[in-house]
Amino acid sequence: DTAVSQTPKYLVTQMGNDKSIKCEQNLGHDTMYWYKQDSKKFLKIMFSYNNKELIINETVPNRFSPKSPDKAHLNLHINSLELGDSAVYFCASSQSPAGTNEKLFFGSGTQLSVL
Amino acid sequence: SQQGEEDPQALSIQEGENATMNCSYKTSINNLQWYRQNSGRGLVHLILIRSNEREKHSGRLRVTLDTSKKSSSLLITASRAADTASYFCATPLRGNTPLVFGKGTRLSVIA
Repeated sequence: DTAVSQTPKYLVTQMGNDKSIKCEQNLGHDTMYWYKQDSKKFLKIMFSYNNKELIINETVPNRFSPKSPDKAHLNLHINSLELGDSAVYFCASSQSPAGTNEKLFFGSGTQLSVL
Repeated sequence: SQQGEEDPQALSIQEGENATMNCSYKTSINNLQWYRQNSGRGLVHLILIRSNEREKHSGRLRVTLDTSKKSSSLLITASRAADTASYFCATPLRGNTPLVFGKGTRLSVIA
């Protein structure tokens, strides 16, 4: 079983559309994250949830809204998609926040292409 | 904000040689982590070194940490073609915050 799974793997859509990416972890971890990796491979934290509560929300446009129905799931909804949103989005999880010496487990990524 | 910065940006070596990558960071940390990313895949955790540790080994990997210089290095010994990947260092920016990643070093190991 995949520890951190995200769907879909590829997402191609038009500008202005709304889309969602789903993430699930079966590791029993308390903390989940969304990262965005741009074309230059720079990985930037977007959101961090601990036990379904948002603990970090970096400077991300409010078109991006994370939702955590339970601590095993963290979904990402994006409204009014723009060309600049094209990137690879990674979900990750850790037992507790990374600052407490915990390592992250990553999903395989969702390649989002906005046309 | 960016915390870690890897050096070099790209490295190409022959199979069997050693590969050394460096990471510099800006603020005080309680741990530093190294991750590997194969093309088209997610990141995989390699090793975590705590701020009170100076060196750590895992198989062919050796990580050092110099908190006075705010730098770390990752050494891969006897490299293999399968080691071809991007390598990232990451630290928590402060307290219990998520990991902040550098831009990575692209390693190519030529058979």
